[in-house]
Amino acid sequence: ETAVFQTPNYHVTQVGNEVSFNCKQTLGHDTMYWYKQDSKKLLKIMFSYNNKQLIVNETVPRRFSPQSSDKAHLNLRIKSVEPEDSAVYLCASSYRQGAETLYFGSGTRLTVL
Amino acid sequence: QQQVRQSSQSLTVWEGETAILNCSYENSAFDYFPWYQQFPGEGPALLIAIRSVSDKKEDGRFTIFFNKREKNLSLHIKDSQPGDSATYFCGTGANTGKLTFGHGTILRVHP
Repeated sequence: ETAVFQTPNYHVTQVGNEVSFNCKQTLGHDTMYWYKQDSKKLLKIMFSYNNKQLIVNETVPRRFSPQSSDKAHLNLRIKSVEPEDSAVYLCASSYRQGAETLYFGSGTRLTVL
Repeated sequence: QQQVRQSSQSLTVWEGETAILNCSYENSAFDYFPWYQQFPGEGPALLIAIRSVSDKKEDGRFTIFFNKREKNLSLHIKDSQPGDSATYFCGTGANTGKLTFGHGTILRVHP
């Protein structure tokens, strides 16, 4: 049963454009994450938010900016996309900060031409 | 620096065999080791996990064997089924809640 919803499923764009991805969780969790899964399937954490506050901000280019309106929503904006941004972006949530089980959405596949 | 290594990029077994997926890690501070399963077009989902105080965790056909001294662990899938074909990620974590994953092992189970 899906409880972490991501939109869109796919997005194709050109270098230099701006894109936004949305994520919503209906689990009542306090903490949400963005992971990037590259073409080799490597999963790397980008950001985590706890109750709308940024907790983890890994070394990602400044063109990436997360936005959280409430603890159920976490969006990701990429200003001026680059070819290396092509990947699957996975949103996840956990019960609380420090809780270990992650619940992932099905991802947004970004292709940058 | 790759903190979590999965020894095989892919593994193929026949239906009914035991699939063994291996993982090693570097940081002794890690105390939580989950395995996530990912099917095409879906996000990863927790399959089974073990803490460093244990050396074995079993859940149905899935068993984790953990060796703290050697810093490695393995996932055994007994009686593999075609429906087990997926990518399996070994993860490591401490009490920060931040998980680090390996590159994943693609398992194919032939009928």
